[in-house]
Amino acid sequence: NAGVTQTPKFQVLKTGQSMTLQCAQDMNHNSMYWYRQDPGMGLRLIYYSASEGTTDKGEVPNGYNVSRLNKREFSLRLESAAPSQTSVYFCASSIKVAGQGISGANVLTFGAGSRLTVL
Amino acid sequence: GENVEQHPSTLSVQEGDSAVIKCTYSDSASNYFPWYKQELGKGPQLIIDIRSNVGEKKDQRIAVTLNKTAKHFSLHITETQPEDSAVYFCAASSTGGGNKLTFGTGTQLKVEL
Repeated sequence: NAGVTQTPKFQVLKTGQSMTLQCAQDMNHNSMYWYRQDPGMGLRLIYYSASEGTTDKGEVPNGYNVSRLNKREFSLRLESAAPSQTSVYFCASSIKVAGQGISGANVLTFGAGSRLTVL
Repeated sequence: GENVEQHPSTLSVQEGDSAVIKCTYSDSASNYFPWYKQELGKGPQLIIDIRSNVGEKKDQRIAVTLNKTAKHFSLHITETQPEDSAVYFCAASSTGGGNKLTFGTGTQLKVEL
């Protein structure tokens, strides 16, 4: 059981280049998320997908686009990379459907992260 | 939206001592408070969580306490061991907020021999 798999693990881009981070989960989870982690700023939500076919903006969506390709896969695209997007990106999934009025836990399973450097 | 503050940003303790990490939240509607541990080179992993109808929860050497009136919650690790060295994140979410987690800024815990 692989859990959440992210690719690539490392990437160096030049300003203005584009790239896509791939994420796949094999736990049959409904919701998927993309976070970025920066020193002193914790984990900030970029986009999330409550269920297959839906996507919504998080706290820091500018400069990014996402695609929920199917229930398993959720990709993050940088159309024109900027140095401010240098960060470690984490994909996560959960079985609770975010956005519905379900009280209680929303336990996230994270991938190992993708370190992106934009020069 | 929710705002979660976490202190301290770094914490160094001797092996066997206790460690306490504190978080405050702003949204009184928040009702779920998890703690995640991130080891070097890995993604965060849930270690313990608490819901708003409970004041304290324990799991072996770790415990979490919640003060809803003051809107703060804390992680307590007793008898620390070198393998406890990691970055710890608190988080909060509410049903009205779609159960999306808002994370604190993290605490780097170092357990020294």
